Amino acid sequence: AQTVTQSQPEMSVQEAETVTLSCTYDTSESDYYLFWYKQPPSRQMILVIRQEAYKQQNATENRFSVNFQKAAKSFSLKISDSQLGDAAMYFCAYRSANSGGSNYKLTFGKGTLLTVNP
Amino acid sequence: DAGVTQSPTHLIKTRGQHVTLRCSPISGHKSVSWYQQVLGQGPQFIFQYYEKEERGRGNFPDRFSARQFPNYSSELNVNALLLGDSALYLCASSPRTDRSYEQYFGPGTRLTVT
Repeated sequence: AQTVTQSQPEMSVQEAETVTLSCTYDTSESDYYLFWYKQPPSRQMILVIRQEAYKQQNATENRFSVNFQKAAKSFSLKISDSQLGDAAMYFCAYRSANSGGSNYKLTFGKGTLLTVNP
Repeated sequence: DAGVTQSPTHLIKTRGQHVTLRCSPISGHKSVSWYQQVLGQGPQFIFQYYEKEERGRGNFPDRFSARQFPNYSSELNVNALLLGDSALYLCASSPRTDRSYEQYFGPGTRLTVT
């Protein structure tokens, strides 16, 4: 079974600064997807960024980028120019690319609570 | 277009009671998944339905059941509620179950069991 570990329960960053959230995962599969989701106090889980394991290039979405190290099974999220609206719980998630059964499900880490200080 | 909607927003039940949670997917989405998020934890997968058929089940007891209707909306049912069932229940929809499709989450239903 796949597992996702987020070793930082809480992180804080000054507004306009850069912060990196860590995530490691364990899997025996070679093809999969990795995601970062943001959950603000409103509870709505919002997709921030996704990475396909077969792609060597790291995904970027505006101020958000990832550092995907497949051999190390590491998937960190970098937030540049942090804004007050970035404050939320961030979850790293894994999904198999194999079809069938429960493979399509998302497996989440425990989350990292990000605080942005003005 | 409206996003995933869930009802009710909040719910308080007593141990031993039964509860039904409802989810309406994004228009055109045929797959619905349910997740349980206990306070301080990440969501855990409960069920996935596609075209009214169960396509996957997580490690939850038989007290948990679900179904999907012809309009692709879904219900999650929990019988004989326990205190440990208190959680945020999230519904997510996607167009299909294929590997390339994203899951879009609703705002959740907060269930409190007393």
